[in-house]
Amino acid sequence: AQSVSQHNHHVILSEAASLELGCNYSYGGTVNLFWYVQYPGQHLQLLLKYFSGDPLVKGIKGFEAEFIKSKFSFNLRKPSVQWSDTAEYFCAVNAHGNNRLAFGKGNQVVVIP
Amino acid sequence: EAQVTQNPRYLITVTGKKLTVTCSQNMNHEYMSWYRQDPGLGLRQIYYSMNVEVTDKGDVPEGYKVSRKEKRNFPLILESPSPNQTSLYFCASSLLADNTGELFFGEGSRLTVL
Repeated sequence: AQSVSQHNHHVILSEAASLELGCNYSYGGTVNLFWYVQYPGQHLQLLLKYFSGDPLVKGIKGFEAEFIKSKFSFNLRKPSVQWSDTAEYFCAVNAHGNNRLAFGKGNQVVVIP
Repeated sequence: EAQVTQNPRYLITVTGKKLTVTCSQNMNHEYMSWYRQDPGLGLRQIYYSMNVEVTDKGDVPEGYKVSRKEKRNFPLILESPSPNQTSLYFCASSLLADNTGELFFGEGSRLTVL
């Protein structure tokens, strides 16, 4: 079964700083990859996704993620964060042929104005 | 408006008192799923359904039941709730059962079992 690892559960940074969140998965076959965001008190929303093609994926609100197949990674980045990016971020992986979506434990990101 | 609706949003109950959390989606989605969210553990899948009358266990199914009699509804049933089921529950749906699409989440149901 696939599993997802997210490191540095709590991240605190100042506005305009760059953000990178790591996501590694354990599955040797073809995967679909997602990042979801949960703003305080809200439900999860899709930030971006990768199915195939260009491994550098651009999502909403200036976020991007890069799929590196050799490293089984799908790291999320944003060059310059804003206070409104304060949220919890979840990486999720679906292995082709599997009907389940596995989530990582999340990264709690706090952006200080 | 496309949405996933859960009820109740907040519930405090006592050990052993059966309860049902309803979930309804208006997008004609095939796939529906229940997750629980606990601090430090992220989202863990309880049950999922690929279509009407097709349900399967997720990672943490113990103590829960589900049914999918209609495409739009996917209720979560706790026959005899216990304090370790105190959690934030999310229902989600996706257009296709192959999980290649976006998951749409409900607003969440915060359950406390005393």
